[in-house]
Amino acid sequence: GIQVEQSPPDLILQEGANSTLRCNFSDSVNNLQWFHQNPWGQLINLFYIPSGTKQNGRLSATTVATERYSLLYISSSQTTDSGVYFCAVARVSNDMRFGAGTRLTVKP
Amino acid sequence: GAGVSQTPSNKVTEKGKYVELRCDPISGHTALYWYRQSLGQGPEFLIYFQGTGAADDSGLPNDRFFAVRPEGSVSTLKIQRTERGDSAVYLCASSLTGTPYNEQFFGPGTRLTVL
Repeated sequence: GIQVEQSPPDLILQEGANSTLRCNFSDSVNNLQWFHQNPWGQLINLFYIPSGTKQNGRLSATTVATERYSLLYISSSQTTDSGVYFCAVARVSNDMRFGAGTRLTVKP
Repeated sequence: GAGVSQTPSNKVTEKGKYVELRCDPISGHTALYWYRQSLGQGPEFLIYFQGTGAADDSGLPNDRFFAVRPEGSVSTLKIQRTERGDSAVYLCASSLTGTPYNEQFFGPGTRLTVL
């Protein structure tokens, strides 16, 4: 099956800093989603982005499908951005394969 | 509109007992998924329903796990003879239709603890 690798595994930032999270995947995909898992465990949809670039406020994402990677950009980070960020992909079947996540801590 | 809901939010049971976990998908979503998330890991796929039928149950770990969706809406995940290794957060997701192209939306999860 598809392998999904996320980097870095852990990231500590000062409030106001910018960051880039990366997701590499081993095969072509039909679905790629970025999620934020908050401290209560809820997976919040950030982007549905199998290809191209999208922006939503301080967050943006880019997927380069031909090179099998996606990037999530967080600008002007806030303490509420803390949590685990997951990338998940699906190819032919509907089961999404998740990476191990990037744990982000934003300090005030 | 309402998102995916799951009940109970927490379930503590003893080894060997039977448990049922419920998922209510987003209204109008025909596809429903169950995932399991162990501590420190990403969610792992268990089973996918398209309508009332289980279209893919390849992720169920063994025959103690079973899921139903009798009317094509609410789904119940059933675990028999629970073991301590079953302790995890069980997540439910739904999508508009059952193709890989559709965005999946997740519920808050049920945290299962087997003592």
